[in-house]
Amino acid sequence: DAMVIQNPRYQVTQFGKPVTLSCSQTLNHNVMYWYQQKSSQAPKLLFHYYDKDFNNEADTPDNFQSRRPNTSFCFLDIRSPGLGDAAMYLCATSRAAQNTEAFFGQGTRLTVV
Amino acid sequence: AQSVTQPDIHITVSEGASLELRCNYSYGATPYLFWYVQSPGQGLQLLLKYFSGDTLVQGIKGFEAEFKRSQSSFNLRKPSVHWSDAAEYFCAVTRRGSTLGRLYFGRGTQLTVWP
Repeated sequence: DAMVIQNPRYQVTQFGKPVTLSCSQTLNHNVMYWYQQKSSQAPKLLFHYYDKDFNNEADTPDNFQSRRPNTSFCFLDIRSPGLGDAAMYLCATSRAAQNTEAFFGQGTRLTVV
Repeated sequence: AQSVTQPDIHITVSEGASLELRCNYSYGATPYLFWYVQSPGQGLQLLLKYFSGDTLVQGIKGFEAEFKRSQSSFNLRKPSVHWSDAAEYFCAVTRRGSTLGRLYFGRGTQLTVWP
């Protein structure tokens, strides 16, 4: 059974048109993460939520925002997608207690046209 | 600043051959260490992890990795590769005491398996 679910799997958006990606989890983990993975590159952490506390990575562009309305759901909002934002976006979760590794969703492939 | 180096971008092996994927890290202190695998169009699956203790760790799918502090390395090995092992492999680290999903990844090694 899928534990970290990302919707949609594939998303096409127009240049400059806001887009939202969704992540839900059934693990009841209190930490949720968003990664960006461009073609043939390593995943790069954008930000994470520790419970309701939002933690932005220093080099994450302002164009990227996130919301976490409850424990189970987390959203990634891209306010004005550019061609350079085309990537796979990965959601992950973990429990803050030590020795609990991260579980990843299958990702959303974003195409910007 | 932390960094993770996977020197081999692409490795090709024959089915049944042994495999070693290299990973070196640069960090202020010994971090937690991970290997993840990613099949095309899929998310990341954890193969194994090292926190402390025995420096040879066993993972899923017959993989193992050895932590060598003196070399700042965490190389992944498998004695006999199967065609289904073809995928991209990422080494990752996180700071001790950090949440375990706050990962810094290497650039990845693409594994091709010949029949």
